[in-house]
Amino acid sequence: DGGITQSPKYLFRKEGQNVTLSCEQNLNHDAMYWYRQDPGQGLRLIYYSQIVNDFQKGDIAEGYSVSREKKESFPLTVTSAQKNPTAFYLCASSSGQGTYGYTFGSGTRLTVV
Amino acid sequence: QKEVEQNSGPLSVPEGAIASLNCTYSDRGSQSFFWYRQYSGKSPELIMSIYSNGDKEDGRFTAQLNKASQYVSLLIRDSQPSDSATYLCAVSRGSAGNMLTFGGGTRLMVKP
Repeated sequence: DGGITQSPKYLFRKEGQNVTLSCEQNLNHDAMYWYRQDPGQGLRLIYYSQIVNDFQKGDIAEGYSVSREKKESFPLTVTSAQKNPTAFYLCASSSGQGTYGYTFGSGTRLTVV
Repeated sequence: QKEVEQNSGPLSVPEGAIASLNCTYSDRGSQSFFWYRQYSGKSPELIMSIYSNGDKEDGRFTAQLNKASQYVSLLIRDSQPSDSATYLCAVSRGSAGNMLTFGGGTRLMVKP
């Protein structure tokens, strides 16, 4: 079955540590996105990529980094510069045409310990 | 003014009633509109999309779009307790059609 796989489901980060969240899709989608969701809040765009080897900052990119070396993969690194990283992180993909909306992964819940 | 606005709720309706969820948006160039359902602790799932003015029905769900008023709504008929969730409105960005902006969501509670 086609879909998006995010791992791990839960992640704990110590102060000053970088962590990487994985996102893999087998939908042959061109575009991929990372969102952050805080409790009781909507989704805020961190980074997005419309095509391999290219990505753009979203609305809240500070303290995060991404890469897009393969069409299927769009990992997100939460760096030590992100002072308040505790949140639910969602990866999504779309065909790039916009007509069909996004497909979301199951999410990664990151907690600072 | 937020780009996509929704009443955060909670909206409480009795089982079997019609639930009406509303969303307004500011980007007049937006062409695609979506409703996502998100259960607590889970990721959003797409339940409706609408692209032209008027109504679009799918089972118990009806999406309504009025571009002149920049207004999108979702009606859920015969509401069930399993419909209790947060409903997110998403609107395409006029400058980049495949990018979506999300509202903050409306929490719906359907009471048995």
